[in-house]
Amino acid sequence: QLVESGGGLVKPGGSLRLSCAASGFTFSAYNMNWVRQAPGKGLEWVSFISSSSTYKYYADSVKGRFTISRDNARNSLYLQINSLRAEDAAVYYCARGSSPPDFWGQGTLVTVSS
Amino acid sequence: EIVMTQSPATLSVSPGERATLSCRASQSFSNNLAWYQQKPGQAPRLLIYGASTRATGIPARFSGSGSGTEFTLTISSLQSEDFAVYYCQQYNNWPYTFGQGTKVETK
Repeated sequence: QLVESGGGLVKPGGSLRLSCAASGFTFSAYNMNWVRQAPGKGLEWVSFISSSSTYKYYADSVKGRFTISRDNARNSLYLQINSLRAEDAAVYYCARGSSPPDFWGQGTLVTVSS
Repeated sequence: EIVMTQSPATLSVSPGERATLSCRASQSFSNNLAWYQQKPGQAPRLLIYGASTRATGIPARFSGSGSGTEFTLTISSLQSEDFAVYYCQQYNNWPYTFGQGTKVETK
């Protein structure tokens, strides 16, 4: 199971930290991703982190503003979002694995408005 | 970045009929292509990976094919629960990219 949390209403320029709690599988053995979906739109991959945090990748649209991290001891994945923009408003999903991502959480909604 | 283009945007099909969804890539790659199904208010569900391998628990009416730049998802006989949006995704190169989706609706 993957359960995201931390979404909410944030002003433009604000910050937010999303969390994803994993259970039912060996979290430390899996690469993880964040994928987002703006209201009524398609899917956009946001960020990837390898199982031991050695490799991290970001979409160009979020590079320099978002930071992915994980705590394998706590079975948790995180996404620190800074300098929020209107176009960052979306449901953010955490997704397990990378060849391809095979299991997704239900998502957490981030709303950006002044 | 590999751009994935799906067609058609909307497919109107009657229950029991066959549905064929297309996905084209802007550059050729091996078979690192996945298909996902998404219903309203739900997370995407993996259907196909490796272009043609069904994920665990996916019914045999779903099949994938293709290579290079052209990929296809076929639903052999549409059931009521299959009406949804379908996305293809390449996981060959970073950034992973998705098609814009095909909505399969009731005719």
